[in-house]
Amino acid sequence: GAGVSQSPSNKVTEKGKDVELRCDPISGHTALYWYRQSLGQGLEFLIYFQGNSAPDKSGLPSDRFSAERTGGSVSTLTIQRTQQEDSAVYLCASSLGRQGSTEAFFGQGTRLTVV
Amino acid sequence: DAKTTQPNSMESNEEEPVHLPCNHSTISGTDYIHWYRQLPSQGPEYVIHGLTSNVNNRMASLAIAEDRKSSTLILHRATLRDAAVYYCILRATGGGNKLTFGTGTQLKVEL
Repeated sequence: GAGVSQSPSNKVTEKGKDVELRCDPISGHTALYWYRQSLGQGLEFLIYFQGNSAPDKSGLPSDRFSAERTGGSVSTLTIQRTQQEDSAVYLCASSLGRQGSTEAFFGQGTRLTVV
Repeated sequence: DAKTTQPNSMESNEEEPVHLPCNHSTISGTDYIHWYRQLPSQGPEYVIHGLTSNVNNRMASLAIAEDRKSSTLILHRATLRDAAVYYCILRATGGGNKLTFGTGTQLKVEL
């Protein structure tokens, strides 16, 4: 596709349920990043993939959060046993590489609401 | 990651130039200076980046100080659609170099 695509765009889930958020990066982009943004707050880094490997998972807030990437392309962020504090916009970004000279392109995000 | 410092907010009038400053006194020689902006209810959008020399593109210009400890994003003619939060970020040449977002500058554009 022309840009980074995320699905669903909105997700409402009940507390305690598991959710999966999907990110389709720009074709050929080897680096993929997940961020989250709570209402009125800045962007919080979650995890970074280079190819299918995740060399930096330092931002995942708890073991309820996990992510994988397959085929060097699509990535899925899974949140188990969701809590109300997980409500936020989850943003995915991709870049051609991990070099400092490469720009990152962001999707429009998935707005997650835990009720 | 080296830190950046930006004013919390700035105001501009439409059709006027806007100069958004960023201080990065601990920048290393291999850090690129990136600017992104985030319009309301949207994901961040790449604006421009540079290393040492000033850069121009269709969206903006980036002026980098000779010592690289500060930079300025220049919007030549602000429009209402430029109202957004502007983030100045340093991105290292090697490593995973996740983009670390600070609080950015909220730009308000008035008629």
